[in-house]
Amino acid sequence: DAKTTQPPSMDCAEGRAANLPCNHSTISGNEYVYWYRQIHSQGPQYIIHGLKNNETNEMASLIITEDRKSSTLILPHATLRDTAVYYCIGTGYNFNKFYFGSGTKLNVKP
Amino acid sequence: NAGVTQTPKFQVLKTGQSMTLQCAQDMNHNSMYWYRQDPGMGLRLIYYSASEGTTDKGEVPNGYNVSRLNKREFSLRLESAAPSQTSVYFCASRPVQVNTGELFFGEGSRLTVL
Repeated sequence: DAKTTQPPSMDCAEGRAANLPCNHSTISGNEYVYWYRQIHSQGPQYIIHGLKNNETNEMASLIITEDRKSSTLILPHATLRDTAVYYCIGTGYNFNKFYFGSGTKLNVKP
Repeated sequence: NAGVTQTPKFQVLKTGQSMTLQCAQDMNHNSMYWYRQDPGMGLRLIYYSASEGTTDKGEVPNGYNVSRLNKREFSLRLESAAPSQTSVYFCASRPVQVNTGELFFGEGSRLTVL
């Protein structure tokens, strides 16, 4: 199963892009990378996922390096409501076990 | 749709007492999960069920048992609660797709063991 490594915390100015990095050097070739976030103590919320290609949806963009050893989640225009803990996750060898790790605490400041 | 529903939302136990956390989903998902989250920490997988009738251990299964009662329901039982099991417990479900499909979480059950 892929182990993911994320910085414990990051700051971002409101209105600027937030770029959250994740290292997943042990990820297997057919293992997806997922991003979730957790606001306060609510249940985690799905953001985006990808395999090889870059992905974009209404919430964020996901950039995956060509060797798939790392990825970056981009929130294009961060708002105060984006303050949360962001988790980068690999799906595991059987594509069913989701291990969350400690995540990155993103602080969006006015 | 209610999504993933957990009961109870709050519970206080004494050491040695037993209890069951209930989880139900109405999205016809095959896979269901139980996580725990200690203060200031990330989520840790306790058990998961890939489909009705199957369960498998996660990272921290000791002290817990699970039952996949049917496709909708997945319960987590603490037979003899310990203070170390004080935590917030999250249930999640996931659709049947093999390589993709996101997790949908409940609102959490906050358990305190005295």
